[in-house]
Amino acid sequence: QQQVKQSPQSLIVQKGGISIINCAYENTAFDYFPWYQQFPGKGPALLIAIRPDVSEKKEGRFTISFNKSAKQFSLHIMDSQPGDSATYFCAASTDSWGKLQFGAGTQVVVTP
Amino acid sequence: EAGVAQSPRYKIIEKRQSVAFWCNPISGHATLYWYQQILGQGPKLLIQFQNNGVVDDSQLPKDRFSAERLKGVDSTLKIQPAKLEDSAVYLCASSLPPRRSVNTEAFFGQGTRLTVV
Repeated sequence: QQQVKQSPQSLIVQKGGISIINCAYENTAFDYFPWYQQFPGKGPALLIAIRPDVSEKKEGRFTISFNKSAKQFSLHIMDSQPGDSATYFCAASTDSWGKLQFGAGTQVVVTP
Repeated sequence: EAGVAQSPRYKIIEKRQSVAFWCNPISGHATLYWYQQILGQGPKLLIQFQNNGVVDDSQLPKDRFSAERLKGVDSTLKIQPAKLEDSAVYLCASSLPPRRSVNTEAFFGQGTRLTVV
């Protein structure tokens, strides 16, 4: 069973545009929501993460928006650059587990 | 600082053969994970170690997969016998032990791409 659902599957955006990826979860025990970025042939790398006690977190061009009541969270990539072309995974975990439940991933392509 | 090291990078085997993957986590990371990433999907946890003890192996197909972490450092994941559906990238990750209210980032290795033919 997929505990974290991610959409869209793929996304094409022009340079300078905004990329938006959405995720939804069911397990209310989750209390840690990271986003990972993965380039071809590489392992996933942490991009940004949020806890449910805040509704938004921003780091540079990357912003997470979190809606606890709707059990949804999203990643916004502002001023998208060709170097942002990668696969993005949302994930969820609990502190006591450590293990991550990943979404299916979104392949983002930023055109010049 | 050195990251998570995995070997080999690629492996091609025939079905019913056996294969082993090796992982060396970041120094000081007591928690080690093995994930399976099938093409086009997100990583799925196979097994989680805390030092040399198993914390979670509920998703590990124990009839064919085994893993160990001797001395709480390096780990090996073995598949015997392999099936076609085992074709995937096997990712090793490590982190500090999970703690309440503390973000314990998981650092991933580059993975081993297994092709079973």
